[in-house]
Amino acid sequence: AQSVTQPDIHITVSEGASLELRCNYSYGATPYLFWYVQSPGQGLQLLLKYFSGDTLVQGIKGFEAEFKRSQSSFNLRKPSVHWSDAAEYFCAVLKAAGNKLTFGGGTRVLVKP
Amino acid sequence: GAGVSQSPSNKVTEKGKDVELRCDPISGHTALYWYRQRLGQGLEFLIYFQGNSAPDKSGLPSDRFSAERTGESVSTLTIQRTQQEDSAVYLCASSLDFSREPLHYEQYFGPGTRLTVT
Repeated sequence: AQSVTQPDIHITVSEGASLELRCNYSYGATPYLFWYVQSPGQGLQLLLKYFSGDTLVQGIKGFEAEFKRSQSSFNLRKPSVHWSDAAEYFCAVLKAAGNKLTFGGGTRVLVKP
Repeated sequence: GAGVSQSPSNKVTEKGKDVELRCDPISGHTALYWYRQRLGQGLEFLIYFQGNSAPDKSGLPSDRFSAERTGESVSTLTIQRTQQEDSAVYLCASSLDFSREPLHYEQYFGPGTRLTVT
């Protein structure tokens, strides 16, 4: 069975500081990985996805993520956070045979002025 | 273009009543998904429709929950005899079929319906 783990439930970061959100997955085959963001009162928006190729993927809003097969990780990073980045972030893995996404529990990011 | 829409945006109901939640997917999306998000928690998969195939109901928590979809259009999620633990945000998403459009695969989410059972 596949699963997605986001070890950090909450992270507080100062505006302008760097941010890294951890995601670990367990999945037997080549994973298809996603990061979504859910801003307060908003629906989920895709930040970026990894299917194959370059293991460093760029997304929207200045985010990037690195796929590391050896560590079964797909961590999300941003060099300098803005107050508008305060949101909940979800990592997900696709079970291709069936189009189903399995989501992690989410990491809530708070941004201090 | 239009995204995924859901109605109502908020629903307050009394325990024991039935509720219907509606989802309008993006036109052309063959796959449609329902998720539940309880307060402060992650997304819990409920059910998935793909074209005319039999739906994947493996995430439905009880037989009080059911969903229908007509072709590749609107879907309704019905909760019968609602209980307080059904209170949550119910999210709908739609997508292309991954097997046909892998590089363009992405689930697009609606704004959700907040259900409160009193």
